Amino acid sequence: KAGVTQTPRYLIKTRGQQVTLSCSPISGHRSVSWYQQTPGQGLQFLFEYFSETQRNKGNFPGRFSGRQFSNSRSEMNVSTLELGDSALYLCASSLEAIPLGAEAFFGQGTRLTVV
Amino acid sequence: AQKITQTQPGMFVQEKEAVTLDCTYDTSDPSYGLFWYKQPSSGEMIFLIYQGSYDQQNATEGRYSLNFQKARKSANLVISASQLGDSAMYFCAMRSISNTGKLIFGQGTTLQVKP
Repeated sequence: KAGVTQTPRYLIKTRGQQVTLSCSPISGHRSVSWYQQTPGQGLQFLFEYFSETQRNKGNFPGRFSGRQFSNSRSEMNVSTLELGDSALYLCASSLEAIPLGAEAFFGQGTRLTVV
Repeated sequence: AQKITQTQPGMFVQEKEAVTLDCTYDTSDPSYGLFWYKQPSSGEMIFLIYQGSYDQQNATEGRYSLNFQKARKSANLVISASQLGDSAMYFCAMRSISNTGKLIFGQGTTLQVKP
């Protein structure tokens, strides 16, 4: 059974550019959530999609957006990149966010560096 | 506000010994779930163990056990018989009934196992 696949694994972008990250969940999983991990802020929730609808959103500026396709694959986009956006972006998929114990399976992440 | 606190930035343990990683949480939701994840240097978050707020018994998964003390709002991870491969970052996380699509993470504890 294939795991969560995130592409690309590494990215280097220039300030002001935009970037799109991709996440393919485990087959059959309909919930996809995104997290940003930085040394200073730790792991912070960006948003969660379920059946193509954004169901939860974290406290990030509007430059961060996402979407989910009918096959449950998800993309997140960051526009007008800032140096502070440099981070490891992790995607997690689960069958269902309810019940509470639904295990979230994480991908290996995309490491974004903004220069 | 919901919060996870891990007070041990770094821990050392001798190979084959047991180690306890601390986690306290704060939530006003009556129903919630607590998770522990391991993050090796590769970046992927690996699920270790889950405890539901209404579970009567402490969760166990192989060498991992969760010492759940609901009144004290603590969910400590116990790793028995430490192995060199246990060296990694460990995160405690919570998901609550009011926000099931979102995992709230602590700051993490870096564990180093000494041979």
